[in-house]
Amino acid sequence: DGGITQSPKYLFRKEGQNVTLSCEQNLNHDAMYWYRQDPGQGLRLIYYSQIVNDFQKGDIAEGYSVSREKKESFPLTVTSAQKNPTAFYLCASTSGMGDTQYFGPGTRLTVL
Amino acid sequence: GENVEQHPSTLSVQEGDSAVIKCTYSDSASNYFPWYKQELGKRPQLIIDIRSNVGEKKDQRIAVTLNKTAKHFSLHITETQPEDSAVYFCAASMKPAGTALIFGKGTTLSVSS
Repeated sequence: DGGITQSPKYLFRKEGQNVTLSCEQNLNHDAMYWYRQDPGQGLRLIYYSQIVNDFQKGDIAEGYSVSREKKESFPLTVTSAQKNPTAFYLCASTSGMGDTQYFGPGTRLTVL
Repeated sequence: GENVEQHPSTLSVQEGDSAVIKCTYSDSASNYFPWYKQELGKRPQLIIDIRSNVGEKKDQRIAVTLNKTAKHFSLHITETQPEDSAVYFCAASMKPAGTALIFGKGTTLSVSS
């Protein structure tokens, strides 16, 4: 999991602003994922991508958008339509033939 | 879709005791069941996993058991130590590989010395 990086570590956003969270991996993994973590809620899937230029919605995709233009990058945009975006965001990746997900260090987003 | 229930939500044990965390899943097609450990403010780390063609797997003080008929799997930690204190998550995944994991809500384990 050392090959997955997320930036920034902390992010503060004013209400009404869009922000983009970065996720990069150098593991040559095909699949990438975004999860949101809230206290007592576990990890909830926002979006995932199994291949470049393709992605699927997870359980809580409303108010978020993603792109997958390069294999190593899967940025997440939190839009102003997301009503309660304050949370810990985790990116993960998996090799094409495997199941094991490796997580990045996370981004803590706070809406002011 | 898949749903994963995890119990208990909190667990307190004395150092040296055993700890057991249980998860149930709803979709019989699920075939991969990992367990993650997350320390405060850190990323989840895989500690052990099991696939549906195996009933039990052990790695030193940690073991996982799977009952496909009852659709539940459990994490067993023996000889607990204070550094085992963390939040533990179970998850389930279906084929094909690359399908997203569905996580339980987590168990906060506290080991007191």
